[in-house]
Amino acid sequence: ETGVTQSPTHLIKTRGQQVTLRCSSQSGHNTVSWYQQALGQGPQFIFQYYREEENGRGNFPPRFSGLQFPNYSSELNVNALELDDSALYLCASSLIPAWGAAKSYEQYFGPGTRLTVT
Amino acid sequence: GEDVEQSLFLSVREGDSSVINCTYTDSSSTYLYWYKQEPGAGLQLLTYIFSNMDMKQDQRLTVLLNKKDKHLSLRIADTQTGDSAIYFCAASGGSYIPTFGRGTSLIVHP
Repeated sequence: ETGVTQSPTHLIKTRGQQVTLRCSSQSGHNTVSWYQQALGQGPQFIFQYYREEENGRGNFPPRFSGLQFPNYSSELNVNALELDDSALYLCASSLIPAWGAAKSYEQYFGPGTRLTVT
Repeated sequence: GEDVEQSLFLSVREGDSSVINCTYTDSSSTYLYWYKQEPGAGLQLLTYIFSNMDMKQDQRLTVLLNKKDKHLSLRIADTQTGDSAIYFCAASGGSYIPTFGRGTSLIVHP
């Protein structure tokens, strides 16, 4: 069983640029959630993808967008980068059963991508 | 919305027990979690407890839940230097999306 992987591990961008972060979910999982963790803070929920559609969103502006692919991997895109976007971006995968009634409460996190905006 | 509070630091001697405390505000929270984050790493799910339980034990870890006071604690027995990390408390309700605290930095002295 493979765990959650993320790429790249580190990234430096300039204010105003765009960035794409990638996540491969754990084998057998069909749901991906993205979190932003600023220095000294807990993770903040950005959004979740299930069956290639957004399945919940936190308090983040539309310049934060995402995709989920048929193999359940996912991308987080951030446009018009701001200095405050500097953070560790974490991806977490989970399994929502096929009957869809229950949502998964067990999430498994990747190691994160450290984004620095200068 | 949900708010989760934790003390920021805890220092213990190796071999002692560690107790990390957490409070949350939403009484409808269904799942309460403890995650561990080591330097430069993502979060590792340690354990979780359903809101209809008072206690859960898993090897050296004991979770206590006081639903009336909305208070959660994590006890680590026989704390080792390898337990040094940041521990996050989190709570979720019907959406199953956890709200995290700021984390408690556990420092274990030899």
